[in-house]
Amino acid sequence: DQQVKQNSPSLSVQEGRISILNCDYTNSMFDYFLWYKKYPAEGPTFLISISSIKDKNEDGRFTVFLNKSAKHLSLHIVPSQPGDSAVYFCAAKNAGNMLTFGGGTRLMVKP
Amino acid sequence: KAGVTQTPRYLIKTRGQQVTLSCSPISGHRSVSWYQQTPGQGLQFLFEYFSETQRNKGNFPGRFSGRQFSNSRSEMNVSTLELGDSALYLCASRPSTVLTDTQYFGPGTRLTVL
Repeated sequence: DQQVKQNSPSLSVQEGRISILNCDYTNSMFDYFLWYKKYPAEGPTFLISISSIKDKNEDGRFTVFLNKSAKHLSLHIVPSQPGDSAVYFCAAKNAGNMLTFGGGTRLMVKP
Repeated sequence: KAGVTQTPRYLIKTRGQQVTLSCSPISGHRSVSWYQQTPGQGLQFLFEYFSETQRNKGNFPGRFSGRQFSNSRSEMNVSTLELGDSALYLCASRPSTVLTDTQYFGPGTRLTVL
């Protein structure tokens, strides 16, 4: 039973445009959400997080939106750059503090 | 600060053998978690240690075990290796177990079981 799902395995975007990565979850007990970026042969790198009491968090080119009623999370990258090409994982935590990851979305930003 | 380090980076073992992986957390971080990444299953939580005690455990068989030392360094052991244990094993550390503490990942150990 996948509690965190990223339904798009890949996404291709032109440099300078917006990248929107989506994530859905089923467990209403999740309190905290994170996005990680992963390059091949490296561990995931933390990007941005959001608490369940907020609906938006912004950090430079990265913005995360949370819609609790829809159990939906999205990451916006504006403007997209070729160096953003990587696999993006959304993750969620509940009070037990375990990270549950989605399956990942491969983002390709074309120059 | 130095990041999370994992040794070795690559390992090749045969079925039935056992393996020990090591993780050194970021200085000052007391919580260490382990994850398994496979193409089919994605990133899956194995267990978390804090102050030498296992706090959480994922849904893995007893062949997977771990421990944490007083300096917060952690080891993960897999006994009686199976082909399906081939994966990237990732370690992550964070300062404590507060919900909003961010986990920082190491580069991983790539285990291949032949």
